[in-house]
Amino acid sequence: AQSVTQPDIHITVSEGASLELRCNYSYGATPYLFWYVQSPGQGLQLLLKYFSGDTLVQGIKGFEAEFKRSQSSFNLRKPSVHWSDAAEYFCAVGGAAGNKLTFGGGTRVLVKP
Amino acid sequence: DTEVTQTPKHLVMGMTNKKSLKCEQHMGHRAMYWYKQKAKKPPELMFVYSYEKLSINESVPSRFSPECPNSSLLNLHLHALQPEDSALYLCASSLSGGADTDTQYFGPGTRLTVL
Repeated sequence: AQSVTQPDIHITVSEGASLELRCNYSYGATPYLFWYVQSPGQGLQLLLKYFSGDTLVQGIKGFEAEFKRSQSSFNLRKPSVHWSDAAEYFCAVGGAAGNKLTFGGGTRVLVKP
Repeated sequence: DTEVTQTPKHLVMGMTNKKSLKCEQHMGHRAMYWYKQKAKKPPELMFVYSYEKLSINESVPSRFSPECPNSSLLNLHLHALQPEDSALYLCASSLSGGADTDTQYFGPGTRLTVL
């Protein structure tokens, strides 16, 4: 069975500082990995995805993620956060029958001025 | 355009009411999904429709009844709900339901409150 762990429930970062969100997955085959962001009371917006190829993936809003098979990780990074980056971030793994996504528990990012 | 629309945005209903949630996409996607999301939790899959046929039901209680009238539209009919069903209901769509690499695009959700 596939699973996703996001070890950090909350992260607080100062505006302009760098951000890294951790994601570890468990999946028997080649994983299909996603990062979504959710602002309060809103739906999920896709930030980026990894299916194959280059292990460093660029996404929207200045985010990138690196797939490391040896560590079963897909960490999300941003070099300089903006106040508008305050949100909940979900890592997800797909690839199961029926295109089922398995989400991690989420990481809430707070941005200090 | 990767837009999925959902109506209504908010819904308050009593336990004896019947209501419906609506989801629409015009991206030519052939798979559509309903998720339930409680506060501070990740979304939980409820149903998947693939080519207008129900392909996955995650053991959802029968008081939730999905319907896919055509490839662009997905409804969730609600009847005799319980207060614990209060949540954000998210709709998503993807190009097809069979490909492992499909990317799901989410709507803004309907915030449901059951009194």
